[in-house]
Amino acid sequence: QQPVQSPQAVILREGEDAVINCSSSKALYSVHWYRQKHGEAPIFLMILLKGGEQKGHDKISASFNEKKQQSSLYLTASQLSYSGTYFCGTEERTSGTYKYIFGTGTRLKVLA
Amino acid sequence: EAQVTQNPRYLITVTGKKLTVTCSQNMNHEYMSWYRQDPGLGLRQIYYSMNVEVTDKGDVPEGYKVSRKEKRNFPLILESPSPNQTSLYFCASSYSGGAIETQYFGPGTRLLVL
Repeated sequence: QQPVQSPQAVILREGEDAVINCSSSKALYSVHWYRQKHGEAPIFLMILLKGGEQKGHDKISASFNEKKQQSSLYLTASQLSYSGTYFCGTEERTSGTYKYIFGTGTRLKVLA
Repeated sequence: EAQVTQNPRYLITVTGKKLTVTCSQNMNHEYMSWYRQDPGLGLRQIYYSMNVEVTDKGDVPEGYKVSRKEKRNFPLILESPSPNQTSLYFCASSYSGGAIETQYFGPGTRLLVL
């Protein structure tokens, strides 16, 4: 079962803020966030390894609530370059397996 | 330059004709993985490898094979491709010292099976 992301899509004007949520039905050991431009490879944004951890760089930050099995990505004062599809991702550890599961994705479009 | 390379980038083939997509990384990563990406379905893991000679199924392994004979290479093999394997494929690698860390992706391979 993939983590579910919300919203599925969002349109912003330059300078506006956005929050993308990632919710899992299973325990999250870590959460990764990636951004993908159309037709290109996903690019790593950040990783959160501990419950409650918050990280950020530039105007993009993220939080991880291990108890609620949720993570959120915060985009502040959005720029045109933020447009793309955002994915959360996590390991699925079951009986010695190390599968990796991506979330359902959130399309973000920033308009001038 | 640290990178993951995939070849070919584009491939058109016919049903049943065996093909191999190569993947190589120069970062000495233990964990390597193949994903397919389809519209509306996001990125799904096909196979992964924790290290040399250690591979395991992801969520959509049917119709695919992999091998990991060397740490840097992780080829994806389609023994008898079918049209439902038309997709965009990504190889990725990362360190895995207890947890899967940052995944570095190759540029992708667009496959069309007629």
